[in-house]
Amino acid sequence: QKEVEQNSGPLSVPEGAIASLNCTYSDRGSQSFFWYRQYSGKSPELIMSIYSNGDKEDGRFTAQLNKASQYVSLLIRDSQPSDSATYLCAVETGFQKLVFGTGTRLLVSP
Amino acid sequence: EAGVAQSPRYKIIEKRQSVAFWCNPISGHATLYWYQQILGQGPKLLIQFQNNGVVDDSQLPKDRFSAERLKGVDSTLKIQPAKLEDSAVYLCASSLVHPSTDTQYFGPGTRLTVL
Repeated sequence: QKEVEQNSGPLSVPEGAIASLNCTYSDRGSQSFFWYRQYSGKSPELIMSIYSNGDKEDGRFTAQLNKASQYVSLLIRDSQPSDSATYLCAVETGFQKLVFGTGTRLLVSP
Repeated sequence: EAGVAQSPRYKIIEKRQSVAFWCNPISGHATLYWYQQILGQGPKLLIQFQNNGVVDDSQLPKDRFSAERLKGVDSTLKIQPAKLEDSAVYLCASSLVHPSTDTQYFGPGTRLTVL
């Protein structure tokens, strides 16, 4: 079982819709969770971090964490074509080490 | 504030040759990371330094890869000899201290092609 699993996509949504990106992880001891966005040919950039069960909102982005189910998700409201990118889920495992998933490619069509 | 700098941006070499990458982290950042990102995959941590000490190098292929961070600032990653499967983007990142609470900022990466 991979440590961090994501559906590679692509996930296609129309402009203005809600995009829902999901991630599962295997280490029950993980305490820190991150979502990075990576545009094609660019390096990853952090968009959200979440540490506690529940929801965390930042503008159009909402991260959701359920430690019992070992599940973390990212919702993007009012999706824009500029949101088209690969979204990487990263989970802290072991001693201050981040493990990244393979990423989900999101395509937002005008 | 200047970001993480890396050079070169692109490198093409033949298998069995050697190559070196350089990284200059954001000023004041104690922790420096080298990641390997193969096309279609997420970044994989190769080595993590805190100041000039190694925190984690469990996934560094030590028979061919080496890295150092002299004086706790700049870092170099070397591959000798390179294999075809080393073709990837090598990303350097830095954070203030702790990856679990401090944002990791990534450099632009070095795209390596091994022929």
